[in-house]
Amino acid sequence: SQQGEEDPQALSIQEGENATMNCSYKTSINNLQWYRQNSGRGLVHLILIRSNEREKHSGRLRVTLDTSKKSSSLLITASRAADTASYFCATDNIDRDDKIIFGKGTRLHILP
Amino acid sequence: EPEVTQTPSHQVTQMGQEVILRCVPISNHLYFYWYRQILGQKVEFLVSFYNNEISEKSEIFDDQFSVERPDGSNFTLKIRSTKLEDSAMYFCASKRRALVRDYEQYFGPGTRLTVT
Repeated sequence: SQQGEEDPQALSIQEGENATMNCSYKTSINNLQWYRQNSGRGLVHLILIRSNEREKHSGRLRVTLDTSKKSSSLLITASRAADTASYFCATDNIDRDDKIIFGKGTRLHILP
Repeated sequence: EPEVTQTPSHQVTQMGQEVILRCVPISNHLYFYWYRQILGQKVEFLVSFYNNEISEKSEIFDDQFSVERPDGSNFTLKIRSTKLEDSAMYFCASKRRALVRDYEQYFGPGTRLTVT
């Protein structure tokens, strides 16, 4: 798999349910970030988790990071229609502090 | 809250023409980036820029591409002779600093480039 690869590729859930998206990566990282993108629009930064952190919360978002498995998950609780978007994880590389690498994203669709 | 801005939001150009995409990063940020996203695909890194020079560039960033920070606020991406495959959304991003490696990159809203 590629650096920062999410699964599932697409997810449809009922409004009010929780949505979980996963991300795997290959290299050692300094931090991992999750972004949201509404269709055809810009990237909105959601949350950054450092490599020495295991869990982080922001409102209805919960992100976990397991550096031993090189994986992260994004949980959106009590989903809303407005959460419909694509979600990307992005990782840096511990040896370089410039670029971040995005995964292909998970397309989340919240059904009314 | 400060944000990265990009102009234009949409640019249509003919193949072979030069285009300049403009970005105004957040004012106290020191690191600047361009990424692109071909429709339906993932966001790809193009180039990073710090202290008035390119610090890293990807394979995509060939001789047709150049970046510049012509003044204290703007950061531009120039494509000298556009190709059809340059059609994509181009995102500018900036970051405050990298000495402490936990600062996020803030992205602009993007410029959709359509090459016909």
